[in-house]
Amino acid sequence: AQKITQTQPGMFVQEKEAVTLDCTYDTSDPSYGLFWYKQPSSGEMIFLIYQGSYDQQNATEGRYSLNFQKARKSANLVISASQLGDSAMYFCAIEGGTSYGKLTFGQGTILTVHP
Amino acid sequence: KAGVTQTPRYLIKTRGQQVTLSCSPISGHRSVSWYQQTPGQGLQFLFEYFSETQRNKGNFPGRFSGRQFSNSRSEMNVSTLELGDSALYLCASSLGQFNEKLFFGSGTQLSVL
Repeated sequence: AQKITQTQPGMFVQEKEAVTLDCTYDTSDPSYGLFWYKQPSSGEMIFLIYQGSYDQQNATEGRYSLNFQKARKSANLVISASQLGDSAMYFCAIEGGTSYGKLTFGQGTILTVHP
Repeated sequence: KAGVTQTPRYLIKTRGQQVTLSCSPISGHRSVSWYQQTPGQGLQFLFEYFSETQRNKGNFPGRFSGRQFSNSRSEMNVSTLELGDSALYLCASSLGQFNEKLFFGSGTQLSVL
């Protein structure tokens, strides 16, 4: 079984500043994938970034980077140069074993970007 | 390339009724997953279909069922609706490989009165 913990219900950041959203995970699977999704008020889940458990390098996708610390079982999302459009709910998720299409999500963090 | 399409966008039903939700995946995608999102329970996995076969199932009662057609479109059915079934139901599609990003639709907001 997998578990994701996001301890920050809400975060505030000033526009153009960087922000880190925390995510810790628990799994017994040796192979797994970690994902971050953004959910704006429209409801659609938007993929941001992926990190495989065997990846040696931290994943980056434009302004998004993932601070992956395997020993600590953490996969924090770093958003650089925040924009007003980044205001949304952010979910960390894990897929383990052979659980095709089955993501286990955390409770999410609401990010608010102030001008 | 069109995204994942879910219909209807909103639905209002009464207790005891049944409902069918539809999901059209991205062209070429053979896997469709369904999720339920509620304020209390968050996002929970319902089931996943690949090439018309259910490969994975979450911990939901048998009232929740689904199927996938040969064109990869999927439907989800909930019978004997309960108030607690009120939720945003999200569908996601992918090629069907492990650790692959999912592309989500905008969801169907179901309200049970």
